Amino acid sequence: EPEVTQTPSHQVTQMGQEVILRCVPISNHLYFYWYRQILGQKVEFLVSFYNNEISEKSEIFDDQFSVERPDGSNFTLKIRSTKLEDSAMYFCASSENGDGIGYTFGSGTRLTVV
Amino acid sequence: RKEVEQDPGPFNVPEGATVAFNCTYSNSASQSFFWYRQDCRKEPKLLMSVYSSGNEDGRFTAQLNRASQYISLLIRDSKLSDSATYLCVVSKRGNTGFQKLVFGTGTRLLVSP
Repeated sequence: EPEVTQTPSHQVTQMGQEVILRCVPISNHLYFYWYRQILGQKVEFLVSFYNNEISEKSEIFDDQFSVERPDGSNFTLKIRSTKLEDSAMYFCASSENGDGIGYTFGSGTRLTVV
Repeated sequence: RKEVEQDPGPFNVPEGATVAFNCTYSNSASQSFFWYRQDCRKEPKLLMSVYSSGNEDGRFTAQLNRASQYISLLIRDSKLSDSATYLCVVSKRGNTGFQKLVFGTGTRLLVSP
C-alpha cells in the first residue's frame, strides 16, 4: 500500500533555530497538507498546497512557517525561528483530489523545542 | 461552539461489549464525514467514511444525521485491539474551494480482558 513518508521521526531543536520537516507524498497525489497536533489536543490544519502554491492556510500558519515542493517528490515545512509552543506532532498528508476523501497521513515528526 | 464536538471519554469496556460514540458538528455545509482511529503518538488512520444511509464495515457501523448534525459510531464485539482514540472528522470547504479536514478532540476507548 502506498505510504506518505516523513523524516525525521523526532527532532529536538533549540528555541529560535530553524527546522525543516520533510515529507514524500504518494506519487500520484496532487494535494499536499500539513497538520499538527499539540500533545493532548486535537489535530489542526496548517496549510494545503496544490499546483506548486499554497491553496489555503490557517491562522496558525504565520510568517514563521513556509512550505515548498523543491523537486518532484519532496514536500517540506520550514519553521524559521522556533518557539516553545511549536512543540507538537507534525503530520504530512496527501490526497488525489481536494474533496476531503482519500487522505493518507504520514507517521509524523515529533518536534520538541527546548 | 466547537466545530466538531466529542465526549473525550475514556470509555472503559470489557472484551465483547458493544460501545457507541457520538459526535456533533456545527457547519451545516460540511460535505464529507469520517471516523478516524488514532493510536498513541501515531498518525490518524481512516476507519470509515460516514454516509446518511448508514454504513457498516464488519463490527463497525457508522451513521450520519444531517438534520441534527450528528454522527455516530457503533463497535460491536469489542476486541483488545480496538483500544485507541476515535476521531470524528468532517470536511470544511476552504476559501479556494478544496475541502480540508476538521478534527474532533477524539474519544478514548479502553477495552479490557
